[in-house]
Amino acid sequence: DAGVIQSPRHEVTEMGQEVTLRCKPISGHNSLFWYRQTMMRGLELLIYFNNNVPIDDSGMPEDRFSAKMPNASFSTLKIQPSEPRDSAVYFCASSLTKDQPQHFGDGTRLSIL
Amino acid sequence: RKEVEQDPGPFNVPEGATVAFNCTYSNSASQSFFWYRQDCRKEPKLLMSVYSSGNEDGRFTAQLNRASQYISLLIRDSKLSDSATYLCVVNNAGNMLTFGGGTRLMVKP
Repeated sequence: DAGVIQSPRHEVTEMGQEVTLRCKPISGHNSLFWYRQTMMRGLELLIYFNNNVPIDDSGMPEDRFSAKMPNASFSTLKIQPSEPRDSAVYFCASSLTKDQPQHFGDGTRLSIL
Repeated sequence: RKEVEQDPGPFNVPEGATVAFNCTYSNSASQSFFWYRQDCRKEPKLLMSVYSSGNEDGRFTAQLNRASQYISLLIRDSKLSDSATYLCVVNNAGNMLTFGGGTRLMVKP
């Protein structure tokens, strides 16, 4: 069975550029989560969707970050404009419901120069 | 107080040792508990759920203490391949899962 699929695996770009991260959740999962992980702050929840609707975006750091889920099989996390402090690993995860175990994608390693 | 707290470690143990991690949580109404494992430069993966009566999966034993609001993970006969970060996960007041900061384990030959 296909797990959560994220793309790209790695992204290196210059500050000020727009970055778009993509995620395909496991089919049939109703909840989708975007996380950011750094050494300093650990795993932080940015936003989560339930049935394609954003439920809690209180973890989104600032207006430069936005996330969408146009359908049940696709979500994007966009950073515009990007800054060096946005460098981190960004994980997407999905679960059957919000309180069930989450399955993570391989992550996107983002480096903003 | 953080919703889910863990000792970050690292725990350095020799091969074959028994090691235990604790995790405390703040929401007394929490009902779902899990342990995840994260290898270096990899994604977190579900290790095991934690049930009220405690549960075992091979060398791994998980226990829940509701009165003191903590869960534990015991690893017996540790292997080099057990070296990883172990994340405690608890559902919060919004009934969503919250991850602890993780405890790093290093098993040495």
